[in-house]
Order: sequence, then C-alpha cells, then structure tokens
Amino acid sequence: QQQVKQSPQSLIVQKGGISIINCAYENTAFDYFPWYQQFPGKGPALLIAIRPDVSEKKEGRFTISFNKSAKQFSLHIMDSQPGDSATYFCAASMVSTGSYQLTFGKGTKLSVIP
Amino acid sequence: EAGVAQSPRYKIIEKRQSVAFWCNPISGHATLYWYQQILGQGPKLLIQFQNNGVVDDSQLPKDRFSAERLKGVDSTLKIQPAKLEDSAVYLCASSLVGRGLGEQYFGPGTRLTVT
Repeated sequence: QQQVKQSPQSLIVQKGGISIINCAYENTAFDYFPWYQQFPGKGPALLIAIRPDVSEKKEGRFTISFNKSAKQFSLHIMDSQPGDSATYFCAASMVSTGSYQLTFGKGTKLSVIP
Repeated sequence: EAGVAQSPRYKIIEKRQSVAFWCNPISGHATLYWYQQILGQGPKLLIQFQNNGVVDDSQLPKDRFSAERLKGVDSTLKIQPAKLEDSAVYLCASSLVGRGLGEQYFGPGTRLTVT
C-alpha cells in the first residue's frame, strides 16, 4: 500500500524557534510532495510543494528539504509564530503519470507558545 | 475568486439513517475529489471525478456510499445507511485539469457525527 509516514504526531515550539516536521515515503513513483496547513474547522490549504529534481525550496519562513535517496522530506518553519499553530500534513502524488491523487500523512499538530 | 463551497457544515444522524453532502467546486475546475478525514488522521481519497465522469472510486465503500457529479459542476456524496465508523469530516477539493501540478483546493468540510 502506498504510504506516507509523518512524524512527530505533535510538536510544541517556543515563539521564534524552528519547527521541523518529517515525512518518509515508500513509492519511488511519487514525484510531487506538497505540504498542507489545516486550522480547526477549516479545510487543508496548500502551503508549499516540491518536486524531486530539487533538494530544497524556500518560501518566506517555510522551507522544504528533500532527500531523494533516503525517500524523505521535511518542512522547516523558521521564526515560528503563534499564528502558525495548526495541523500540518505532508502528501505525495504521481503527477507525471497523470494521477494527481494525494496520499496524505497522518498529520502533525504544531503548537507555538509565546 | 470564490473557494470550494460545501454544505451542510455539520450533521448529526443516527446509525442506519441516510445523509447527503453537497459540494460546489471553484469555477472552471474540472477535477473534483471527495475525501474522508477521520479525527487524528490525514484525508483519505474516496472518489475522483473529471468533469462528470468517475476517474477513481476504488476506495469508496460502494455498498453504502455513492457520489455523483451532474453536469460536471456540483457534486453530492451520499451515505446510506450510515455506520458509527462513518463519523468523520468529509472534504471536497477541486483542481484544474492539465494545469501545473494539479494543486488541489479544499472546502471547509462537513463534520458528520453518527450516533
């Protein structure tokens, strides 16, 4: 079964600190790796995404690091803020095959404390 | 640009009853997805439509779940009869066909509680 394993399940970070969430995948056919942010009562919202031809992508305070050989990718949130408190999901799909279906990790609940 | 709309936002039913959810995707988005998100887990795809045709419904429990997308726009997801384990948030998402990486935009979801 195609799986994306995400850790940790929950994370508490001080304001201004770095939040790091890790994901690992099994299917080498995955070629698109987005991260979604979900606030309570809301649907997931696309935060940042990467393809395996690059090892890092940065957008503002959010960075994805990608290790193709290890089949792992991670989200780094720099200068974490209380407003970043949410649940984060990594996901994967196989866009080159025309399949845009997302396989999600189980999520990480991030709490940023002042 | 208006986002994905879903209704109702909350629904409480007893087991063995039926329930229906409605989704209106972003205008122009040909692809529509229904996901089930059980508390503490990531969304799981139930069914994918492209226009009004089904692309993948392999994870849809067809003995009790059904979905349709008439005229390639709005979609409804129905559960009949509901079981306790169907308690979850049902998310609808849409995306453009053949554009970019198929970025999916999610609605707010319908929280279903089966008692």
